[in-house]
Amino acid sequence: DAGVTQSPTHLIKTRGQQVTLRCSPKSGHDTVSWYQQALGQGPQFIFQYYEEEERQRGNFPDRFSGHQFPNYSSELNVNALLLGDSALYLCASSSVERIYGYTFGSGTRLTVV
Amino acid sequence: GENVEQHPSTLSVQEGDSAVIKCTYSDSASNYFPWYKQELGKRPQLIIDIRSNVGEKKDQRIAVTLNKTAKHFSLHITETQPEDSAVYFCAANSPYAGNKLTFGGGTRVLVKP
Repeated sequence: DAGVTQSPTHLIKTRGQQVTLRCSPKSGHDTVSWYQQALGQGPQFIFQYYEEEERQRGNFPDRFSGHQFPNYSSELNVNALLLGDSALYLCASSSVERIYGYTFGSGTRLTVV
Repeated sequence: GENVEQHPSTLSVQEGDSAVIKCTYSDSASNYFPWYKQELGKRPQLIIDIRSNVGEKKDQRIAVTLNKTAKHFSLHITETQPEDSAVYFCAANSPYAGNKLTFGGGTRVLVKP
């Protein structure tokens, strides 16, 4: 049990639609990072949330947005879906004080048709 | 920002042989280098990591070496077994990047029985 929970596990959406993915971090972790993993590639950093604020952002358009709640859980929202947004979306939790306890969830497989 | 390159992209070895995967990074400030194993349809799982104040670390059949001067690090798997077949990712973190990991493109390892 990795302790990081993501939902849903799979999702199929149509181009132009909007999607919300959810993540509950491991107990004791306060930081949530989101990654996009396209097929056959390494995870790409989307953004990171701590204290309910976006701390860092990768090279992703504004269509990607997020939120962190007081209980440290987080949501990733993607608007105006494109075919190229099809990927595995991974959530990773950690403690702001140390990166060494980085734990990934099982991911949400998003397919845009 | 940090850039991590990983090679080879695919590696096929005979059971019992050794496998070596190499990564280079661009940010000389990076000081934490984890390796993840990802089996098909599953989450990336941390298998070993190394910090910049150490040149080598070993855990049973797995070892990682770090050359800070050359900015490269390597994963060594000895006495490979079929269950070692997976995709392996290297990553790097700079203390100036918070809890953000930059990943390499991955190496698909196939251990032939």
